[in-house]
Amino acid sequence: AQRVTQPEKLLSVFKGAPVELKCNYSYSGSPELFWYVQYSRQRLQLLLRHISRESIKGFTADLNKGETSFHLKKPFAQEEDSAMYYCALMGGSARQLTFGSGTQLTVLP
Amino acid sequence: GAVVSQHPSRVICKSGTSVKIECRSLDFQATTMFWYRQFPKQSLMLMATSNEGSKATYEQGVEKDKFLINHASLTLSTLTVTSAHPEDSSFYICSASYLGLTDTQYFGPGTRLTVL
Repeated sequence: AQRVTQPEKLLSVFKGAPVELKCNYSYSGSPELFWYVQYSRQRLQLLLRHISRESIKGFTADLNKGETSFHLKKPFAQEEDSAMYYCALMGGSARQLTFGSGTQLTVLP
Repeated sequence: GAVVSQHPSRVICKSGTSVKIECRSLDFQATTMFWYRQFPKQSLMLMATSNEGSKATYEQGVEKDKFLINHASLTLSTLTVTSAHPEDSSFYICSASYLGLTDTQYFGPGTRLTVL
């Protein structure tokens, strides 16, 4: 069985401060992990995926297999980063996504 | 590119009636479409996976006779909630993906179903 855990439901930081959204996973195979973001009144959209090893909107995430983690980080948060963030794991024959419960990030001015 | 639409965006129906929700991939051919359900302030729960031309695969606990899924073409999948009850009220989201390098799922905007 695959599981994704996001321990923080709510996270508030001030503008310019570093932010880290935690994600831990449980999966017996080789994981493919993603971060999705949902801005207010918008659809879910892909932020980044671990195999791309890219930085999107200043966010990065490193897969740590030893700690089974895929934390999302940004060194300087911006107000426009306020959104709901979901960590997701892809697995199964049909490449299904299993989502974490999400973290609502609020960046305060 | 890679836009997914859903119709309707919002629907209200009476208990006992059936409701059909459409999911379309507008600019690509979706080999696989997924249907999710999202309760308020909760995460997305996968309901079923459908491949074009074949029967949908339902997740454990999802009633296949209640949530009928049809994936008749590479750009259209439909979810029909049959004999809807108030507990079926929820936000239903579809996503679509196609075989390729990225294997990314693209999400629709969701459909808010309210059963009175």
